[in-house]
Amino acid sequence: QKEVEQDPGPLSVPEGAIVSLNCTYSNSAFQYFMWYRQYSRKGPELLMYTYSSGNKEDGRFTAQVDKSSKYISLFIRDSQPSDSATYLCAMSAIGSQGNLIFGKGTKLSVKP
Amino acid sequence: DSGVTQTPKHLITATGQRVTLRCSPRSGDLSVYWYQQSLDQGLQFLIHYYNGEERAKGNILERFSAQQFPDLHSELNLSSLELGDSALYFCASSVMTANTEAFFGQGTRLTVV
Repeated sequence: QKEVEQDPGPLSVPEGAIVSLNCTYSNSAFQYFMWYRQYSRKGPELLMYTYSSGNKEDGRFTAQVDKSSKYISLFIRDSQPSDSATYLCAMSAIGSQGNLIFGKGTKLSVKP
Repeated sequence: DSGVTQTPKHLITATGQRVTLRCSPRSGDLSVYWYQQSLDQGLQFLIHYYNGEERAKGNILERFSAQQFPDLHSELNLSSLELGDSALYFCASSVMTANTEAFFGQGTRLTVV
């Protein structure tokens, strides 16, 4: 079993839809959870960062962490064509010294 | 623009050769991380340097090595290249040793022919 599992998609939604992206993980030591957005031929861009469990909201984006279920989510409200990209979850443990474990990414397409 | 600069953007080289990838971190960032991204493996952590010292190693092959210089820029050296080394190589930087808010460069696309 891989440490981080993420459905690769592709996921296609109409403009304005609510998008739900998810990752599951197996390592209970993970404490830091991140979502990155990667446009084609570009580097990953940090969207959201959460420590331990709970929710975090930033504009149209909401990140949720459920450590009891080892499940994290990213919700995008009022999705826009400019949100079309690959979304990568990433996580690490305290003291991991820089070792971010990434999911393989979900490719999202928002149709006008 | 993340503030992390990687050069070159593209590199094409032959099997058996050696290449050097360069990374300049964001101003003020002491940590540099190197990642490899391939279609089948996704983003894989290679190595982490903090203020010139190696802090952690991930799935880095023995043919690969890295260093961070006093001016904090970093280089990733790849030698005895194989076709399977073709990938995107990313550098990321952060202020501290924790990678909680690491910013990525645009990557170097390496093609081994």
